[in-house]
Amino acid sequence: EVQLVQSGAEVKKPGESLKISCKGSGYSFSSYWIGWIRQMPGKGLEWMGIIYPGDSDTTYNPSFQGHVTISADKSISTAYLQWSSLKASDTAMYYCARRDRVFFEYWGQGTLVTVSS
Amino acid sequence: SYVLTQPPSVSVAPGKTARVTCGGNNIGSKGVHWYQQKPGQAPMLVIYYDSDRPSGIPERFSGSNSGNTATLTISRVEAGDEADYYCQVWDNNSAHYVFGTGTKVTVL
Repeated sequence: EVQLVQSGAEVKKPGESLKISCKGSGYSFSSYWIGWIRQMPGKGLEWMGIIYPGDSDTTYNPSFQGHVTISADKSISTAYLQWSSLKASDTAMYYCARRDRVFFEYWGQGTLVTVSS
Repeated sequence: SYVLTQPPSVSVAPGKTARVTCGGNNIGSKGVHWYQQKPGQAPMLVIYYDSDRPSGIPERFSGSNSGNTATLTISRVEAGDEADYYCQVWDNNSAHYVFGTGTKVTVL
């Protein structure tokens, strides 16, 4: 059974750093692209970027490039989304999802990030 | 960048048919994928490549795509279908994934 399990909810202050994770199981993690999707409170889905764990090839949505970093460690079947300096506007639910062709078939349960002073 | 526009809300009585539209420039030339998101849950794929259903998705869910509009159709609507629905395409011009604005389906 394909599963994506994300790390738990985080509460951070503006300016702090953060790295959240997404661990895949039940399939060859290296062989499928993993995307990250943001959902701000009460809002829609926004694609942030995507990584191929096999060689760490990464593409970013220009709206997020420079503010987040996507990475992966195929040896432990885990993808990451990180910030070096959080803003209050980063408060959102973040989902990882496995890409199949050009859609997202399997999703993680989401990680809620709250940034507040 | 490519934009997908959905109506904010659709209301439907139980047992009737709900239609959720997704508008985009020449969207008929692209593959459209649909996700259902119930409150407090992660999105779930319900239709891929315009009209294909993943295993486990009821036949009541169907899709079509032509011209500038793609449509998700939910037949014989049930209370459990109440959710937000998002369309999604891959924009080959930018190599980016684009989600629609989302539609809240309310079962009356």
